[in-house]
Amino acid sequence: GNSVTQMEGPVTLSEEAFLTINCTYTATGYPSLFWYVQYPGEGLQLLLKATKADDKGSNKGFEATYRKETTSFHLEKGSVQVSDSAVYFCALSDRNNAGNMLTFGGGTRLMVKP
Amino acid sequence: DAGITQSPRHKVTETGTPVTLRCHQTENHRYMYWYRQDPGHGLRLIHYSYGVKDTDKGEVSDGYSVSRSKTEDFLLTLESATSSQTSVYFCAISEIAPGQGAGYTFGSGTRLTVV
Repeated sequence: GNSVTQMEGPVTLSEEAFLTINCTYTATGYPSLFWYVQYPGEGLQLLLKATKADDKGSNKGFEATYRKETTSFHLEKGSVQVSDSAVYFCALSDRNNAGNMLTFGGGTRLMVKP
Repeated sequence: DAGITQSPRHKVTETGTPVTLRCHQTENHRYMYWYRQDPGHGLRLIHYSYGVKDTDKGEVSDGYSVSRSKTEDFLLTLESATSSQTSVYFCAISEIAPGQGAGYTFGSGTRLTVV
């Protein structure tokens, strides 16, 4: 079956530090990959996505590259802000297997200190 | 998101009582989903719908039922609430299947406490 593994948090950084949140996946087919962000007390929002190998998704200074050879989709940002403090979820949907739904990782909490 | 609303936002109920949560969308999207979010478990799919009267089970469907009698509404019912169903419940919608590269739009969640 499909699964997504994220690094455990919390990740605590100082403002303007470089961010990496690791995400690896297992899929039987050819997945689309997503990153979602959840701010306190809110629902999840789509942050970025990639639908094929070597695609780079980007939004709000965040980037992630679809690496088929390492089955990874790591989230990066060059300089984090306090306002980036949130929980980040990696997710996949496999068009060849149960393509009607997303499978989520466990989430990684990011805390950015001034 | 203005296109999807969940009600109620908060609810406290007693063990053994039935509870219904409502998800309403104004986007005319085909796919609707119910997830629960628990510490240490991320989001887990309860049930989903791929059209009016078309539903299927997710990984944690025991103790839950759903109904979708019209495109805009997807109801989640806890038949006899238990303390293990204390959670935050999220509804999500999608215009096309996520496997085709689409993502979800999420509601703001319902915090349910079973005492």
